[in-house]
Amino acid sequence: DTAVSQTPKYLVTQMGNDKSIKCEQNLGHDTMYWYKQDSKKFLKIMFSYNNKELIINETVPNRFSPKSPDKAHLNLHINSLELGDSAVYFCASSQTPSAGNTIYFGEGSWLTVV
Amino acid sequence: TQLLEQSPQFLSIQEGENLTVYCNSSSVFSSLQWYRQEPGEGPVLLVTVVTGGEVKKLKRLTFQFGDARKDSSLHITAAQPGDTGLYLCAGAGRGSTLGRLYFGRGTQLTVWP
Repeated sequence: DTAVSQTPKYLVTQMGNDKSIKCEQNLGHDTMYWYKQDSKKFLKIMFSYNNKELIINETVPNRFSPKSPDKAHLNLHINSLELGDSAVYFCASSQTPSAGNTIYFGEGSWLTVV
Repeated sequence: TQLLEQSPQFLSIQEGENLTVYCNSSSVFSSLQWYRQEPGEGPVLLVTVVTGGEVKKLKRLTFQFGDARKDSSLHITAAQPGDTGLYLCAGAGRGSTLGRLYFGRGTQLTVWP
């Protein structure tokens, strides 16, 4: 069973479109994250939710809107897609953050904006 | 922004050689984590070090956390082709930044048979 699953795995879309990436975790964690990995493999946190509440918003453009219907799901909606949004987006989850807790990553969603 | 400098960026070695990857920062972290990422997959946690000076061993991999909890190293003994991958270090924030992981830019390791 996949612990953190995200869909779609690959997404190619045109500039200006709106798209969503869905994420679900079956680990019973109460904290979920979205990370972005650029073409140079640099991973950076975008958002974090704890029990459906936003706790980290790392100065991401407001075209990106995360939504957490329950603590097992954290979806990412992106409006008016731009070329620079092309990247790999990773969903992740963990227990309530503390020193040393493990974060589990999904397999990533490859977004290409053309 | 808490930056982690990871070096080297690329490492290409022959099977059987030893190697060390370094992860340095001017910031103190609550813990330091090492991940390995395969192509087309997400990062997978290898180890977490929490205490300054801590050393952990995972088969041929040895991880060390600096005394001041600002830096770490990963040493691989007798590298094998199966060790090929992207190795990422990540520092866990503390206090107001608890919950954030700050990643280094990764070391792409290639081990040739």
